[in-house]
Amino acid sequence: NAGVTQTPKFQVLKTGQSMTLQCAQDMNHEYMSWYRQDPGMGLRLIHYSVGAGITDQGEVPNGYNVSRSTTEDFPLRLLSAAPSQTSVYFCASSYSRLSGNTIYFGEGSWLTVV
Amino acid sequence: TQLLEQSPQFLSIQEGENLTVYCNSSSVFSSLQWYRQEPGEGPVLLVTVVTGGEVKKLKRLTFQFGDARKDSSLHITAAQPGDTGLYLCAASYGGSQGNLIFGKGTKLSVKP
Repeated sequence: NAGVTQTPKFQVLKTGQSMTLQCAQDMNHEYMSWYRQDPGMGLRLIHYSVGAGITDQGEVPNGYNVSRSTTEDFPLRLLSAAPSQTSVYFCASSYSRLSGNTIYFGEGSWLTVV
Repeated sequence: TQLLEQSPQFLSIQEGENLTVYCNSSSVFSSLQWYRQEPGEGPVLLVTVVTGGEVKKLKRLTFQFGDARKDSSLHITAAQPGDTGLYLCAASYGGSQGNLIFGKGTKLSVKP
């Protein structure tokens, strides 16, 4: 039972480079999301999806793109990396888009932009 | 804009002591969750509370939801080193998971 799988675990980028963080879940969950976690800031929502083909912006969407072509996958794209995007990124999923349901998190992706 | 304040930010105690972590909101929330996160891992759900005044217990952890649904607390009795971690509260202000807001967390260290 893999749950929510994120890759890569660690990545170092140069300013201006682009990359994609991969996220996959094998629980047939409707809801998927991406958070970033910074010291003293807690978890902040970047983008989320309530089903294949449907995405929406969260609290801090600038500089990131997402797509949801399948129920299982929800990649996060950094278009032109900036040092301010140095952070730990968490992908998460939930059975339902409705609040109050359990959210399952991946193990995180540590990104450093130099 | 809803604000979710968590306190204290840091807590260092000896094994066997009791502690309480608080989560306060500027607005009424529809549900509140508590998560625990260990270093190098993602948060894991501990409990969800939805009813004002609700109290839930999970072994030595007691979670309480304020009557007005604007605050919550987590109380740990006789803390153990295994309780060490980051405790996060997360409140929902609408019907969608996209409305979920996390507090900044309480970093707990329990020393043997």
